[in-house]
Parts: sequence; C-alpha cells; structure tokens
Amino acid sequence: TQLLEQSPQFLSIQEGENLTVYCNSSSVFSSLQWYRQEPGEGPVLLVTVVTGGEVKKLKRLTFQFGDARKDSSLHITAAQPGDTGLYLCAGPYTGFQKLVFGTGTRLLVSP
Amino acid sequence: DAGITQSPRHKVTETGTPVTLRCHQTENHRYMYWYRQDPGHGLRLIHYSYGVKDTDKGEVSDGYSVSRSKTEDFLLTLESATSSQTSVYFCAISEQGQENPQFFGPGTRLTVL
Repeated sequence: TQLLEQSPQFLSIQEGENLTVYCNSSSVFSSLQWYRQEPGEGPVLLVTVVTGGEVKKLKRLTFQFGDARKDSSLHITAAQPGDTGLYLCAGPYTGFQKLVFGTGTRLLVSP
Repeated sequence: DAGITQSPRHKVTETGTPVTLRCHQTENHRYMYWYRQDPGHGLRLIHYSYGVKDTDKGEVSDGYSVSRSKTEDFLLTLESATSSQTSVYFCAISEQGQENPQFFGPGTRLTVL
C-alpha cells in the first residue's frame, strides 16, 4: 500500500512559469521531507516540515505542511531549467525506523 | 556533501550469479539503508541497519541479504541474481533514524541478463 501519493506524476513547463506539486496521504505524519533527485544522482534533501500549517521557503521554492499533517505541497515560482528533476516527498513510517517515499513528480523546465 | 560512496557504480551480471554491492560512509552515522528505485515504484526499502550487526528487513527484502560488520560499511548481497533485480540501488545514511533526514549515495546501476 502506497501511503504517500504525489501529483502530478509528470510536469513539463516553460522557464518562468509557476507550478505546484502535491503530496497526499490518508495517514497523519509527524513530519514530511522533500527531496530533489537529478538524473544519475541520489536524492538530496530540500526541507523538512514538522508543524501542521508550517510554511518554509527556500529561495523560489515554498513548502507547506497541511494543518492536519496529512498532506504537503511544493510551489515553485518562476521555474528555471535548473529546477528540472524528480521531486520526492517522504515521511516516517510509524513504529519503524524508516521513511516511506512517494512515487515522485518528474519536472522538466525548458528554456 | 555527506561522505557516502557506493561501489561498483555500474555492474552487468548474469542470472543466477551472486552480487555484492558496497556502501561506505565517513560520517559515523548510526543508520544505513539500502533502497532500489524502479520506474513506477519510486524508492523502496530493501534492508536497513541501526548499528553494527543490527539489521532489519524492508518492504522488498526477498532475494537480498545484508551485513554490517563496521559502522562505515553496509553490504547488500543478491544471493542469486534474477532479471527482476535489475534496478538502480541507493544507499542512504541517517544520524538518528526515521525522523531525521537521509543522505543518499550516488547509486549503483545493476543489470541482470
């Protein structure tokens, strides 16, 4: 059973556009992490959100944790080709020392 | 960047042969993980370790075994490789476990013919 659903699966946009990626679950998570993975490399942590309703900004990236801690979103303003990659959300699996990962959103930003 | 290396980076092998992948860290992190990444399935946990000689199964552990004899090394062994084990394998480390961020290695692309 996939506990974290990400949407959309694929997104192809032009440089300068805005976009939002979603990470949803029917379960409550104590925290959620967002990673970006570039082709041929391992995922790299972008941010961790911990408190319901929390908003974190990382330059042009804005992350929000839902009030009920069941969902999160990533908004990118004025996307650039360097934002291209696979975006993954992940959350701790209750009772186990591991993370569960969403299936990811593959973003392509064209010049 | 966290000091994590994986070897080999690429491997082609034949069905039925044993294969061992190595993950080495220089961060002295307690937790180490092995994942496989496949299209349509995302990252799936194979096995993880929470200390020297302490390991546990993940969600896709069948056909895989692991060993951790030193803090810095975590080995993944495919006992008898099958074509379904063709994948990209990632090692990750974490200081304190599930609530903490994980730092990933560069991956090993394994092809089983």
